[in-house]
Amino acid sequence: AQSVTQLGSHVSVSEGALVLLRCNYSSSVPPYLFWYVQYPNQGLQLLLKYTSAATLVKGINGFEAEFKKSETSFHLTKPSAHMRDAAEYFCAVSVSNFGNEKLTFGTGTRLTIIP
Amino acid sequence: SAVISQKPSRDICQRGTSLTIQCQVDSQVTMMFWYRQQPGQSLTLIATANQGSEATYESGFVIDKFPISRPNLTFSTLTVSNMSPEDSSIYLCSVPRGISGEQYFGPGTRLTVT
Repeated sequence: AQSVTQLGSHVSVSEGALVLLRCNYSSSVPPYLFWYVQYPNQGLQLLLKYTSAATLVKGINGFEAEFKKSETSFHLTKPSAHMRDAAEYFCAVSVSNFGNEKLTFGTGTRLTIIP
Repeated sequence: SAVISQKPSRDICQRGTSLTIQCQVDSQVTMMFWYRQQPGQSLTLIATANQGSEATYESGFVIDKFPISRPNLTFSTLTVSNMSPEDSSIYLCSVPRGISGEQYFGPGTRLTVT
C-alpha cells in the first residue's frame, strides 16, 4: 500500500520568503503524486500533480514541486510567499489501478504567513 | 473540470439523529468518493460509490453507520446515522478526473454534533 508523510504540521514563513513544504512517499510501484490546498472553510483545490512526465512540476499560484525518486520526495516550493498563501496543504499519492485509483492523503501542513 | 455542489454546507445536529448529505455533479461520472475530515486532521476515505452497485466501504467504516445512495450518474447521498459528537467533521465528496487518481472535490459539509 502507498503512503505519504508530511514533515511539519505547521510551517510559518515571512511574506516574501521561500516556502518549502515537505512530502515523502512510499510506494512499491510508480506513484502519481499531488499537492492540494485547502483555504479556510473551503474544499480542496489541486495545486499540481506528477504523473510520470516531467519531474519538475509547475502548478497554480507560483508553486512548483520536484519528484525525486532517489529520495522518495515530492516537496512543494514557492520562491516568495504571499499572504494569500496561508492555508492547509495536503500531499497525496495514488497508483495505477485500472481506473480504480484512490488517493491517500498526508496529514497536512498548515502554512502561516508572517507580515 | 467538474463542478460539485454539496448540501447542506453546514449543520448542527443533536446526538442520536441522522443527517443526509447530498452531492451533485454537473457531469456524469461513474465513481464518486466520500471523505471525512475530522477537526485538524487529514482526509480519510469513507467509501466509493458506483452507480448501480453497492458502495465499497473502507476499513473502519460500515454501511449501517454511513449508508450511501447513488441513484444516477450525477448524484449521491451520504447519511451519517445515529450521530455522536465524534462524528463532528467535514464531509466531502469527490469525483475522479482522468486515470491518475486526481479528483475534484466538493466544498464540503461541516457537521457539528452536540
